[in-house]
Amino acid sequence: EIVLTQSPDFQSVAPKEKVTITCRASQSIGSSLHWYQQKPDQSPKLLIKYASQSIPGVPSRFSGSGSGTDFTLTISSLEAEDAAAYYCHQSRSLPGTFGQGTKLEIK
Amino acid sequence: EVQLVESGGGLVKPGGSLRLSCIASGFTFSNYSMNWVRQAPGKGLEWVSSISSGSRFIYNADSAKGRFSISRDNAKKSLYLQMNSLRAEDTAVYYCARGIVVAGLFDYWGQGTVVTVSP
Repeated sequence: EIVLTQSPDFQSVAPKEKVTITCRASQSIGSSLHWYQQKPDQSPKLLIKYASQSIPGVPSRFSGSGSGTDFTLTISSLEAEDAAAYYCHQSRSLPGTFGQGTKLEIK
Repeated sequence: EVQLVESGGGLVKPGGSLRLSCIASGFTFSNYSMNWVRQAPGKGLEWVSSISSGSRFIYNADSAKGRFSISRDNAKKSLYLQMNSLRAEDTAVYYCARGIVVAGLFDYWGQGTVVTVSP
């Protein structure tokens, strides 16, 4: 089973600041890494697919990068509505696994 | 608009059974793989089970093998999860999610249905 480790677990950031969340895989997964946002009491929402591909309707301040074992989700200028938990997810091999999540708080 | 609506959750005793349902609308259901993903209270996301568009391929997490059975009815645009021999650790919100690839990328999620396993 491929283990995904996110860092940090929790982050408190002021509006308009840049946010970086990392996801490290226990073995190479190519670009089969996706990012989801889950706001409180809501279901997850796909933010980025295949490491860096944008999703229609997702604000352009969200971007992804990386390949192999190291991946990054970047929010270029944080907005209050971005308060949420963020999860990475690999689809390279079964079982599909998720990172433990990163909770993002707005200062 | 893509919509996925789950139902069937509830309170059940250990060892009991439940059948979850997910009704899809807003897309051609028979063209997509479908999945169940769960989230225990205060915890992260865990993939449970996946089924290909024509039901040919089925994949289950180790935690589901031998106890849970995924199925679908394309004519009814419905996805199901039959859960037997339920344990306390199965307590979670269960989400139905559309898949871009089987057991892979999930592009739309339902609102979830709550399963509580407790004496």
